[in-house]
Amino acid sequence: EDKVVQSPLSLVVHEGDTVTLNCSYEVTNFRSLLWYKQEKKAPTFLFMLTSSGIEKKSGRLSSILDKKELSSILNITATQTGDSAIYLCAPFKGNRDDKIIFGKGTRLHILP
Amino acid sequence: KAGVTQTPRYLIKTRGQQVTLSCSPISGHRSVSWYQQTPGQGLQFLFEYFSETQRNKGNFPGRFSGRQFSNSRSEMNVSTLELGDSALYLCASSSFGRLNSPLHFGNGTRLTVT
Repeated sequence: EDKVVQSPLSLVVHEGDTVTLNCSYEVTNFRSLLWYKQEKKAPTFLFMLTSSGIEKKSGRLSSILDKKELSSILNITATQTGDSAIYLCAPFKGNRDDKIIFGKGTRLHILP
Repeated sequence: KAGVTQTPRYLIKTRGQQVTLSCSPISGHRSVSWYQQTPGQGLQFLFEYFSETQRNKGNFPGRFSGRQFSNSRSEMNVSTLELGDSALYLCASSSFGRLNSPLHFGNGTRLTVT
């Protein structure tokens, strides 16, 4: 059965710190991995990673996929209180008919 | 482009009742999927519809059902509500080429069952 595990489940840091969030997956027919940020209601899209070893960057956020290790990391540098959110990852499979499953998320809280 | 719209935003129901939630996808998106989110279980997949056909279904009891209309709008229905159905219900839409395009989520419907 397909599996997605995110770690840590919860993290509290101070503003300015750098954090690394992990996502491990075991899915058949893997195609790409997506990261989302959920602040209050709607998860918002951050990154889609398809190729191993190629870092995607958006401001202070960056992410990279390791297909050999079946994992991905999401880095946030110089954290701000606005980064407080739940971060979700989801592996996409290669078939449109396959359901998309999400990890349970990492709840990140940034202290001022 | 307008985003994914879910109605209502909040619902309070009592055990045994039934409820219908609505989702209007982004214009042009033909795939709509539904998720239940609870603090302990995270985002759990309910079902996905594409062109009025259910494409996939998660591991939920038959009390949970859905449908999609020709304009891609979707509804989900929960019958005989239980306390454990209290959750945030999110719907997400994507374009036909879902393999290369992300899901876009609505703000959800917060259902409270008392």
